Amino acid sequence: SQQGEEDPQALSIQEGENATMNCSYKTSINNLQWYRQNSGRGLVHLILIRSNEREKHSGRLRVTLDTSKKSSSLLITASRAADTASYFCATGSDYKLSFGAGTTVTVRA
Amino acid sequence: ETGVTQSPTHLIKTRGQQVTLRCSSQSGHNTVSWYQQALGQGPQFIFQYYREEENGRGNFPPRFSGLQFPNYSSELNVNALELDDSALYLCASSWGAAGSIYFGEGSWLTVV
Repeated sequence: SQQGEEDPQALSIQEGENATMNCSYKTSINNLQWYRQNSGRGLVHLILIRSNEREKHSGRLRVTLDTSKKSSSLLITASRAADTASYFCATGSDYKLSFGAGTTVTVRA
Repeated sequence: ETGVTQSPTHLIKTRGQQVTLRCSSQSGHNTVSWYQQALGQGPQFIFQYYREEENGRGNFPPRFSGLQFPNYSSELNVNALELDDSALYLCASSWGAAGSIYFGEGSWLTVV
């Protein structure tokens, strides 16, 4: 079973629009991470947010964390065609990451 | 590029055969983790090696085994392949079990 669950499963947006995806998890966490995966290739680490943080920014990415609701969101602003990918949230202990099934984002030109 | 390299990139095996996948970790990284990602799913943790010792294992049967060598490169071995073993196998390296994790591009395994 997977710790995190992303919502929606798929998202299609126009270039320049914002994309928002959500992640819910089941158990207490120390941190939560977001990864991107292009077309079945390796995972690229995007951002890590710690349990005592509520919001974090990195370039066009904004991540929020609500530990009371056990949920996180990833916002991609001003989307580009290159943002087309699958996005995964991951939680975990020191050695084991648990991933959700991911949100597939398609950015239309 | 993450500095984590995996080989082969694609391979096809027959049910019942054995397969070995290889991973070279990023320079200086002493920890390697392996993940299995079935089509349309998120990666599932198989096991981790730290300084040549297994340091945690996910819910995978014993026919999934691994090795880590003194240079910290690693192998994933799968015996008695089943059709459901068809997946992308990802290797990830880090410095220590809690360090930043860097993934390779993966090895696509198809079992027919």
